[in-house]
Amino acid sequence: EDQVTQSPEALRLQEGESSSLNCSYTVSGLRGLFWYRQDPGKGPEFLFTLYSAGEEKEKERLKATLTKKESFLHITAPKPEDSATYLCASADSNYQLIWGAGTKLIIKP
Amino acid sequence: NAGVTQTPKFRVLKTGQSMTLLCAQDMNHEYMYWYRQDPGMGLRLIHYSVGEGTTAKGEVPDGYNVSRLKKQNFLLGLESAAPSQTSVYFCASSYAGTTEAFFGQGTRLTVV
Repeated sequence: EDQVTQSPEALRLQEGESSSLNCSYTVSGLRGLFWYRQDPGKGPEFLFTLYSAGEEKEKERLKATLTKKESFLHITAPKPEDSATYLCASADSNYQLIWGAGTKLIIKP
Repeated sequence: NAGVTQTPKFRVLKTGQSMTLLCAQDMNHEYMYWYRQDPGMGLRLIHYSVGEGTTAKGEVPDGYNVSRLKKQNFLLGLESAAPSQTSVYFCASSYAGTTEAFFGQGTRLTVV
């Protein structure tokens, strides 16, 4: 069964403390791996799409990487405004998105 | 540029009542989706549409119906609401199946 698992469920960091979020997937015929950010009471907001193992993308303090089994969202020197829930999703061979439950990131000043 | 707009934002229903959630997008996207989001779970696809006049079932379609009579609108109906349908509902649209999706602000539905 196709599945996406995110870890940890929650992560508390001090401002400036770098870390990584994990997204493990077991999807046959991967058509893309997506990262979204969701703020409380709002809809998810697109961050990145990765299509093949070895691909990397960056945006400000965020960097997403992809292997054949997992993706990482690296956050470097985070600020309090980076606090949010980060969601990953994989597109299967039918182009249907399978979503992880998310990682709630809290950055303390 | 409004993007994706959902109405209403909040609703409380009694068990057995019916309602329709409206989603409108102004980006000329072909693909539209309805998801539900429950605590501790990922977004789950209810129904989706790949173009005007077409709809298809997602992962959790039971108890819901949809219509896409116009390209810009995607309606989600609950014929007889049940407490298990208490959730936050999100509509999204995208240009294609593997391109970024744009989400609405969500509808918080409570069925009592």
